[in-house]
Order: sequence, then structure tokens, then C-alpha cells
Amino acid sequence: AQTVTQSQPEMSVQEAETVTLSCTYDTSESDYYLFWYKQPPSRQMILVIRQEAYKQQNATENRFSVNFQKAAKSFSLKISDSQLGDAAMYFCAYLRGATNKLIFGTGTLLAVQP
Amino acid sequence: DAGVIQSPRHEVTEMGQEVTLRCKPISGHNSLFWYRQTMMRGLELLIYFNNNVPIDDSGMPEDRFSAKMPNASFSTLKIQPSEPRDSAVYFCASSTSTGLETQYFGPGTRLLVL
Repeated sequence: AQTVTQSQPEMSVQEAETVTLSCTYDTSESDYYLFWYKQPPSRQMILVIRQEAYKQQNATENRFSVNFQKAAKSFSLKISDSQLGDAAMYFCAYLRGATNKLIFGTGTLLAVQP
Repeated sequence: DAGVIQSPRHEVTEMGQEVTLRCKPISGHNSLFWYRQTMMRGLELLIYFNNNVPIDDSGMPEDRFSAKMPNASFSTLKIQPSEPRDSAVYFCASSTSTGLETQYFGPGTRLLVL
């Protein structure tokens, strides 16, 4: 069964600094997608970034980028120039097309210090 | 474009009452998902529909839960009778198709069963 592990329950970063959130996953599949979702206190689940497993190039969305290591089954999220609005719970998620089921990690709560 | 719409946003009810949660997917999306988020179990998929047809309901906890999608723009998740352990945030998400596609989440319904 596919699993997603986020080993950092909480992280803290100073405003304007860079922080990296870790995620590892376990799968025997070769074709899948990986996601980072952000959940602020409003509880809304907001898509941050997506990575297709067949792509070697790491995905980037403005201040957010990933380090995708397929062989190591690692998918970390880097947030550059952290802003107060980045404070939220961040979930790593795995999607296998055959099941259409998003498998979520347990989340990392990110605090941004002014 | 409007995102996924859920109603109500908050629901407080008493044990034994019927609860109906509603979802309107993004226009043009033909896959719809219901997730539940609890502290104990995290985010888990309850059921998903493709072209209004339930495809996988293996995550539905028990017979007290039922879901319908009478047309492409509306779905309901019903709990009858409700129990305190059903208290959670229920999310609806939609995507353009089954398989490897991004799922976009609604704002969620926070349910409290007393």
C-alpha cells in the first residue's frame, strides 16, 4: 500500500528566510503525481505545487519549489522569502492514477516568525 | 471562475439527527470526491464519482453514510443517524477526469455532532 510520511510535525522560519519541508513516500508504481497542499486556519485546502513522476525537472511556482528525488522517493518543499501568510499546515500527497485516491501525509505545521 | 462550493460551512446537530452536506463541483469537472478530516485519522477519501457514477465507496465508514450525485453540478453526502464520532471537517473536491489529475478542494463543512 502507498504511504506518505512527513517526519516534521512542526517547523518554524523567520520572515524572509527559506525553509524546507520534508516528505517521503512508498510506492511500487512508476506513474503517479505528488502534491503539496496548504491548509491555513480557515481550513481551506489550497494547492501549492504539483510534480509529475515522469518529469525529471523539479516543479516551481513563484517562491515555492520542490526537490523531487524519485529513486529515493523523496519530495521536499522549499519556501523562499517566507511571508507571514505562509503560516499554515502543509500536507504532502500522493496520487496514483489507477485508484484516483489522494494519500495524504500527517502534515507539517509551519510557523513564520516576524 | 468559481471554485468548488460547499454548504453549509458549519453544522451543529444532535446525535441521531440526519445531516446533509452539499457540494457543487467546478464547472466542466467530471470527477467528484468526498474526503473527511479528523485529528485521529487525518484526511481520508470516503467516495468518489466519475460522470455522476460512484466508482469507489470503500472509504465510506458504515451504512449510516450515503452519497449521491444526481447531476454533474451537485452532490450530497448524508449521515443518518449522526453520531458524535462523525464530528469532522468534510471536504468535497473535483477534477477534470479520473486518473492523474489535480483535485481542487472546496472550503469544507465543519460538522459537530453533540
